[in-house]
Amino acid sequence: AQSVSQHNHHVILSEAASLELGCNYSYGGTVNLFWYVQYPGQHLQLLLKYFSGDPLVKGIKGFEAEFIKSKFSFNLRKPSVQWSDTAEYFCAVGRSGYSTLTFGKGTMLLVSP
Amino acid sequence: GAGVSQTPSNKVTEKGKYVELRCDPISGHTALYWYRQSLGQGPEFLIYFQGTGAADDSGLPNDRFFAVRPEGSVSTLKIQRTERGDSAVYLCASSFGQGDTNEQYFGPGTRLTVT
Repeated sequence: AQSVSQHNHHVILSEAASLELGCNYSYGGTVNLFWYVQYPGQHLQLLLKYFSGDPLVKGIKGFEAEFIKSKFSFNLRKPSVQWSDTAEYFCAVGRSGYSTLTFGKGTMLLVSP
Repeated sequence: GAGVSQTPSNKVTEKGKYVELRCDPISGHTALYWYRQSLGQGPEFLIYFQGTGAADDSGLPNDRFFAVRPEGSVSTLKIQRTERGDSAVYLCASSFGQGDTNEQYFGPGTRLTVT
């Protein structure tokens, strides 16, 4: 069975700091990769996704993620965070050809103004 | 447009009771998913419907859990003989069409508390 590991459960940053959230997965086959975000009081929503092609993908609100196949990683980055980025971030992996997702435990990001 | 809706938003029940949780997917979405999120964890897959049929129910933890989608839209997750360990947020998601690359749209969840 596949699993997803997110390295940090809680991250605290000041505004304008750079962000990198780690995500590693265990599955040897072809995967589809996602980052979801849950802002306080809101639903889970898709931030970005990778299926194929350029391993550097850009999402909404200035976020990007890089798929490194050799490291089984899909880390999320943002050069300069804002207070409004305070949220919980989930990495998710789906096996190619399968619709269901396996999520990591999430990383709670708190950005102080 | 309307997103995925779930009712009730909160449900408190006693151990041993039966509960039903409802999900209304986005209109036109043929795929529907149920996940469970326990405290401090990410969503955990339970069951996936394509149309009226369960395409994958491998995530259901035991036979106390059952889900239906009789007309291919609304789905109900049913839990018999609830246990305290069933306490969690139950999330529903829907997507357009079948396939692994379709974005899943999540509802607000139903918070189930078993006392």
